[in-house]
Amino acid sequence: KQEVTQIPAALSVPEGENLVLNCSFTDSAIYNLQWFRQDPGKGLTSLLLIQSSQREQTSGRLNASLDKSSGRSTLYIAASQPGDSATYLCAALGGSQGNLIFGKGTKLSVKP
Amino acid sequence: ETGVTQSPTHLIKTRGQQVTLRCSSQSGHNTVSWYQQALGQGPQFIFQYYREEENGRGNFPPRFSGLQFPNYSSELNVNALELDDSALYLCASTREAEETQYFGPGTRLLVL
Repeated sequence: KQEVTQIPAALSVPEGENLVLNCSFTDSAIYNLQWFRQDPGKGLTSLLLIQSSQREQTSGRLNASLDKSSGRSTLYIAASQPGDSATYLCAALGGSQGNLIFGKGTKLSVKP
Repeated sequence: ETGVTQSPTHLIKTRGQQVTLRCSSQSGHNTVSWYQQALGQGPQFIFQYYREEENGRGNFPPRFSGLQFPNYSSELNVNALELDDSALYLCASTREAEETQYFGPGTRLLVL
């Protein structure tokens, strides 16, 4: 059974810092790994999707990497801004039902 | 904007009642998935519909049921509501042969 874990659960950084969010999964048989952003009380916004055959994806200040063999993915945020404050969720797509399996998220707070 | 809408945005029910939540997807998105997100947790997969047929289900009891309609809308029905059903309910749709799931803003259900 696939399990997804995110560390840390919460993170507070000053504006301008570069930071890394971590995600680990127990079953390497995934189709892809996705990172989402969730603002308080809101739905999910897709940030990056890494196919199982890829190693990384980049979008603006965001870079996500995937290492299937070790069951890990990282989300790198460069030059963080207060507007980046949100909960970041990673999710693995796999299994017989093709559903997303989510971690509990990392709550990020960027202080001005 | 993902093009996925959900109604209502908020709902209050009492234990034992029944509720219907609605989701409207973009044209051509013939797969819809429903997730339950309890406070402080990641979303949990409820079930998935493809071309109006259920084709995957998570660890939820039969009192959680759904429908998908030809016009790319869908419903989540929950019977005999329990206090633990209080959560944010998210729907996500996918275009044929794609893997990106587009999430709606969610419906927050409170069961008293």
